[in-house]
Amino acid sequence: QVQLQESGPGVVEPSETLSLTCAVSGYSVNTEYHWGWIRQPPGKGLEWIGNIHRSGTTYVNPSLKSRVIMSVDTSKNQFFLKLTSVTAADTAVYFCARFSWADSLHFWGQGTVVIVSS
Amino acid sequence: DIQMTQSPSAMSASVGDRVTITCRASHDIRNSLAWFQQQPGKVPKRLISGSSSLQRGVPSRFSGSGSGTEFTLTISSLQPEDFATYYCLQHGSYPLTFGGGTKVEIK
Repeated sequence: QVQLQESGPGVVEPSETLSLTCAVSGYSVNTEYHWGWIRQPPGKGLEWIGNIHRSGTTYVNPSLKSRVIMSVDTSKNQFFLKLTSVTAADTAVYFCARFSWADSLHFWGQGTVVIVSS
Repeated sequence: DIQMTQSPSAMSASVGDRVTITCRASHDIRNSLAWFQQQPGKVPKRLISGSSSLQRGVPSRFSGSGSGTEFTLTISSLQPEDFATYYCLQHGSYPLTFGGGTKVEIK
């Protein structure tokens, strides 16, 4: 069974960089699937942040493109998100998930809460 | 970018009602449309992908239809556990885009 688990600091100060890790178990990230990040601000809808392929190719939401850095470590079976210059608007639950063109976002992590506050 | 317009944004319904939620795409996405259900504080659960392919384990009262730019999620007989927020997602091209969500509340 594919399992994903997000981890990262619960609180990030404004203007700093948010860094999250998604650890994958039960399946290798070194496959043709893409691996993605989605977020949900409190009381609001879902927003796709971006996906990454094992090759390192990334696909990012244009609204966040200037601030998003994604990477993957196939040896650790993990992938990563960095969001720079955060503001209160970046406060959200952040999810990681597996993506394919046929199945869309299939397996999701449990989500991690990130609060931007000083 | 493809915009997804979901309607209604909220609705009230009773147990046993037939419920229909619509998503419209700004461009043709063929059948690349998924539906998710989210309970409060929970992870979104994929119900349908490819417009009409029901995820294994999802009750058959859920069905999806449509292609091109107009899509529908139907719940044939609403059950108590179905009160939740539903999202569509176009998964045919990057950037992926979600609809704004439909909150189904108890009447």
